[in-house]
Formats: sequence, C-alpha cells, structure tokens
Amino acid sequence: GNSVTQMEGPVTLSEEAFLTINCTYTATGYPSLFWYVQYPGEGLQLLLKATKADDKGSNKGFEATYRKETTSFHLEKGSVQVSDSAVYFCALSDPGYSTLTFGKGTMLLVSP
Amino acid sequence: DVKVTQSSRYLVKRTGEKVFLECVQDMDHENMFWYRQDPGLGLRLIYFSYDVKMKEKGDIPEGYSVSREKKERFSLILESASTNQTSMYLCASTSDRIRNQPQHFGDGTRLSIL
Repeated sequence: GNSVTQMEGPVTLSEEAFLTINCTYTATGYPSLFWYVQYPGEGLQLLLKATKADDKGSNKGFEATYRKETTSFHLEKGSVQVSDSAVYFCALSDPGYSTLTFGKGTMLLVSP
Repeated sequence: DVKVTQSSRYLVKRTGEKVFLECVQDMDHENMFWYRQDPGLGLRLIYFSYDVKMKEKGDIPEGYSVSREKKERFSLILESASTNQTSMYLCASTSDRIRNQPQHFGDGTRLSIL
C-alpha cells in the first residue's frame, strides 16, 4: 500500500534560516503529492502540490519538487519567519482517487 | 473560498455516550472525509463518502459510523464512546469533478471522553 515518511521533529530554527523538511513516499503508479500546513488551533491548509514528475510546487516562499527517481518531495524555504511555526504534513493521492495518505507531520519552531 | 464548518471546537463526553460530530461544506463537493489526528500518528482516515447515502471505510473505522443524508453534511457517530477515542477530529471535502484537487479542512473538533 501507499505510505509517506517525513522527518521527525521538532525542527528548531532561527528566523531567516534555511528550511528543509524531508519527505519520501511509496506508491504504485504516479501519485499526486501535497504539502499541508497546520497552524496552532486550526485545521490543515494546502501549502503546495505537484501532480507529475519534475513538477515544482511553490507558495508563500516554500517550494517542493516531485522527484520520481528518488520518490521524494522535500519542502524548502530560503528564509523562515516566526509566523512559519506550524506542523507540516506531506501527503499523496493515487491518480483518479481523492483519498490522501499522510505522513506523521513535522513540527517547525522558528525563534526570533 | 471553500468553507468546511465543524459544529464544535471542543467537546467533552462520558464513556458509553453516543456522540455526534457534524460537518458542513458550502461548495457542493461530492467527496467528504473524517480523520482523527493523534500526536506521533499523523492523520488517519476513519470514513469517507463519495455521494449522498454512500460511505466507505477508511483505515480505522472500528467504533465509528457515519451518515450522509444531504450532500453538504457528513456526520461522524461514536456509537458508544470510549476513552481511546479522545482525539482531534478533522473533516475535509473535495470536488470529484476535477482531478488532483486538494482537500479542504475544517478547524477540527477536540473531543475528550471521560
């Protein structure tokens, strides 16, 4: 079956540091890949997505590239802000299906 | 903007009670989902629905049931609540008409079973 593995947190960074959160997946076929973010006390929001190999999703300074050869979708940001402190979830969906398989989430804490 | 509304942010119930969690979406989405979120386990799918009166079991359906009498509303039911069902519950919806659309989430219901 499908699975998503992401690095354990918390990831603790100072403001303006570079961020990488690793995500690898196991799936049959060619899934779509997503990053969701959950701010304290809220539900999940879509951060970015990619639907085919070599696609790059980007939003709010965050980027992730769909790497089929390494089955990875790592999240990066060049300069984090305190307001980026949240839990980040990597997820995949099989083509033609709307159900998602989530990773366990990575908490990011950014200090001033 | 899509709005997914969960009826309660916080709920406290007692062991053995029948508990209803309600979710409403305003975008005419075909698909609706219920997850529970627990520390260290991420989100796990309980049930989902592709259409009115239709339901499918997710990864952890035991102890739960669902109801979808109208397209916009998807209810999660704990038939006889137990302490191990204390968790954060998240509802989501998505359109089936366009492929690879993201799921839209409500703010969650934090349920405590005493």
